[in-house]
Amino acid sequence: AQSVAQPEDQVNVAEGNPLTVKCTYSVSGNPYLFWYVQYPNRGLQFLLKYITGDNLVKGSYGFEAEFNKSQTSFHLKKPSALVSDSALYFCAVRDKNYGQNFVFGPGTRLSVLP
Amino acid sequence: NAGVTQTPKFRILKIGQSMTLQCAQDMNHNYMYWYRQDPGMGLKLIYYSVGAGITDKGEVPNGYNVSRSTTEDFPLRLELAAPSQTSVYFCASRGDRDSSYEQYFGPGTRLTVT
Repeated sequence: AQSVAQPEDQVNVAEGNPLTVKCTYSVSGNPYLFWYVQYPNRGLQFLLKYITGDNLVKGSYGFEAEFNKSQTSFHLKKPSALVSDSALYFCAVRDKNYGQNFVFGPGTRLSVLP
Repeated sequence: NAGVTQTPKFRILKIGQSMTLQCAQDMNHNYMYWYRQDPGMGLKLIYYSVGAGITDKGEVPNGYNVSRSTTEDFPLRLELAAPSQTSVYFCASRGDRDSSYEQYFGPGTRLTVT
């Protein structure tokens, strides 16, 4: 079975500091990994994905994530946080052996303090 | 492009009532999904469709039904509403190409069953 864990419910960071939002996953085969962001009262927006290739993937709004197969992790990072980055972040995984079932983590609330 | 649209935005149902949540997309996507989002639980897949006339169950299908008569529309039907169906419902779609796994989400429908 596939699963996703986001070990932190809440991450607080000062504006201008680097941020990391953690994600670990479990799949039986090769994972397809995703990060989405949700602003209040809005649907989820795609940030970035790892399908294959370079372990470091770059996405929207200056975010990047590193795929680490040995640690089964896909942490989201940004070198310098903005107040406008404050939102709910979801990690998701799809194991291509499990059809269309994308599994989402419980979400991490990021607060960037001015 | 309007993207993915959902109606209504909010709805309050009494126990035992029925309703249909509407979802439409104008991106000519074959894949469409219905999720529910409960606080602290991430998103759970209810039903999905890989094209007009083809639907399948996700992780939490009980109490729901779907149909897909056109590429554009993917309505979700709740029969005999129960308080456990109080949630925020999101519809999503994605393209066909192997590389395009990212999903596009609608703004959501907030449903309360009392």
